Amino acid sequence: QLQLQESGPGLVRSSDTLSLTCTVSGGSISRTSFYWVWIRQPPGKGLEWIANIYYSGVNNFSPSLKSRVAVSADTSNNQFSLQLTSVTAADTAVYFCAVGWIQKGHASFDIWGQGTMVTVFS
Amino acid sequence: QSVLTQPPSASGTPGQHVTISCSGSSSNIGSHDVNWYRQVPGTAPKLLISSNNQRPSGVPDRFSGSKSGTSASLAISGLQSEDEADYYCATWDDSLNGPFVLFGGGTKVTVL
Repeated sequence: QLQLQESGPGLVRSSDTLSLTCTVSGGSISRTSFYWVWIRQPPGKGLEWIANIYYSGVNNFSPSLKSRVAVSADTSNNQFSLQLTSVTAADTAVYFCAVGWIQKGHASFDIWGQGTMVTVFS
Repeated sequence: QSVLTQPPSASGTPGQHVTISCSGSSSNIGSHDVNWYRQVPGTAPKLLISSNNQRPSGVPDRFSGSKSGTSASLAISGLQSEDEADYYCATWDDSLNGPFVLFGGGTKVTVL
């Protein structure tokens, strides 16, 4: 059974870059049948999709965040990562990583990490 | 950017039937499958319904999903106290800004 765990700093200074890593266990991130996902949830608000990461390298990003987002995959450590540049208080949120099966579509996220809270301070 | 519209709240007494709607457009729900997630506050969301009406293993058959045109619905029959949670619809959108994933705003279900 796949398990995902987010890690990264809980505090990020305004205008800096937020960097998070999701460590995957129980399966390889190189499996082409999977895609890997970043989602966030500001305090008291709903879910906001950030990016889908595919083994093919053809990734998809939220139009509102695309200019500030970079993602990558580290197959040697079975991890994938998120970088969000020029952060502001509006980027304060719980950040989740998740996984989906391509055959079930690109918005069906079967397994989620527990989430990690990131607070942007000035 | 397109939007998926859900009612902010829904409620019922134990045993009642509750339905949550999710309204979109031709570029999202009208063209792609809808998924539903359940989130107990303070925890990670869980997939409740995939591909419009498919229940993952372990999801009670009290939960059912449907889709028609540019709208989808999640139905909870025989409401139970543990069904109190936030429910989100999600789908793919391939409009001019896309493709991307859209979440609905979420519906908070209260068991009275």
